[in-house]
Amino acid sequence: GAVVSQHPSRVICKSGTSVKIECRSLDFQATTMFWYRQFPKQSLMLMATSNEGSKATYEQGVEKDKFLINHASLTLSTLTVTSAHPEDSSFYICSANGREGPSSVYGYTFGSGTRLTVV
Amino acid sequence: AQSVTQLGSHVSVSEGALVLLRCNYSSSVPPYLFWYVQYPNQGLQLLLKYTSAATLVKGINGFEAEFKKSETSFHLTKPSAHMSDAAEYFCAVRGGSQGNLIFGKGTKLSVKP
Repeated sequence: GAVVSQHPSRVICKSGTSVKIECRSLDFQATTMFWYRQFPKQSLMLMATSNEGSKATYEQGVEKDKFLINHASLTLSTLTVTSAHPEDSSFYICSANGREGPSSVYGYTFGSGTRLTVV
Repeated sequence: AQSVTQLGSHVSVSEGALVLLRCNYSSSVPPYLFWYVQYPNQGLQLLLKYTSAATLVKGINGFEAEFKKSETSFHLTKPSAHMSDAAEYFCAVRGGSQGNLIFGKGTKLSVKP
């Protein structure tokens, strides 16, 4: 089945530093990658959408200079949280769609999430 | 705009009892609907999805859901709850401007021994 590998699963960083989160599609080509943020005991909120080889589209209220998204290949997308602050502490999850479309087995496959804690 | 509403933020059942998690959707087009399960500090695992084929969708771990257009519902059921079913469950509809999923607020399922 479709697998998206997300790393790291947990990261603690100091305020002001940058953190990179990777999502790799292991057995399919991820033409679209969605990045979500989840606050404790809340639902998932879309941060941005990236398509391979093009710039990411950010949702309203998401700072594109703080949350840098790169989708340079069909199997790898990265989210870099720049100059992280404690308020950026959250659970970040990626989700990928393959070129077969969202209704295929490769549609909307989620990574395992990254717990970011900024101290 | 598409949206989903999950009725009940917390559902508690006894082991072996029926599980019923409710989800109603709003969509201006034929919807794609999904149910995911999330265990603490983990990502989302797909339980099942409806993409305009059979209205009764069978998923993993004994779960199933029925798409009812007249009721705009997509409730998740399982005949007999197991302790390992205790988790957070999210209903979602495809419908964002980027083709993304829009999630309900989630329902936490507790299973009592």
